Amino acid sequence: EAGVTQSPTHLIKTRGQQATLRCSPISGHTSVYWYQQALGLGLQFLLWYDEGEERNRGNFPPRFSGRQFPNYSSELNVNALELEDSALYLCASRGGGRETQYFGPGTRLLVL
Amino acid sequence: KQEVTQIPAALSVPEGENLVLNCSFTDSAIYNLQWFRQDPGKGLTSLLLIQSSQREQTSGRLNASLDKSSGRSTLYIAASQPGDSATYLCAVEVNYGQNFVFGPGTRLSVLP
Repeated sequence: EAGVTQSPTHLIKTRGQQATLRCSPISGHTSVYWYQQALGLGLQFLLWYDEGEERNRGNFPPRFSGRQFPNYSSELNVNALELEDSALYLCASRGGGRETQYFGPGTRLLVL
Repeated sequence: KQEVTQIPAALSVPEGENLVLNCSFTDSAIYNLQWFRQDPGKGLTSLLLIQSSQREQTSGRLNASLDKSSGRSTLYIAASQPGDSATYLCAVEVNYGQNFVFGPGTRLSVLP
């Protein structure tokens, strides 16, 4: 069974640009979570999507947004990129019941 | 607001030693607690998941305990090996389906 996949693995942008990160959950999983791991700041929760709806968001500005598609894959968009957005972005998916979240390998975003 | 702390921040031990990593959380009303391992620049690998009704979980050389009333969990690693070198993260899920709140991690180095 394939795990959570993320693309691209690396992304280089300049300040002010927009970045789009993608996540494909494990087959059958309907929930997708996004986390940011910036250097020295630890893992911070960004967004949670379930059944196509945004269920919760962390303490991030509105320029961080996303969506979940009918096939449950998800996209994270970061507008008006700032230098401090440079981080590893991790996606996780979850099925029903008492399952845990399964994490993807991440997308490393570098803003110059 | 749930906060998670981990002690120590870093640990260096010779191969073969048994060691304990500590995790504390401020709100005892949790759904589950999970220990992860993260290798440099990589995603997360789940190690042990403890449901709120459980007291401990074991997998191979790893044993994790949970004391909800005191807001603490420990990860015990027996007979440490150089391959155990990584950052160990403790994460708390407050309610089912909600996001994880992560601790800052303990960076472990096991010296040959």
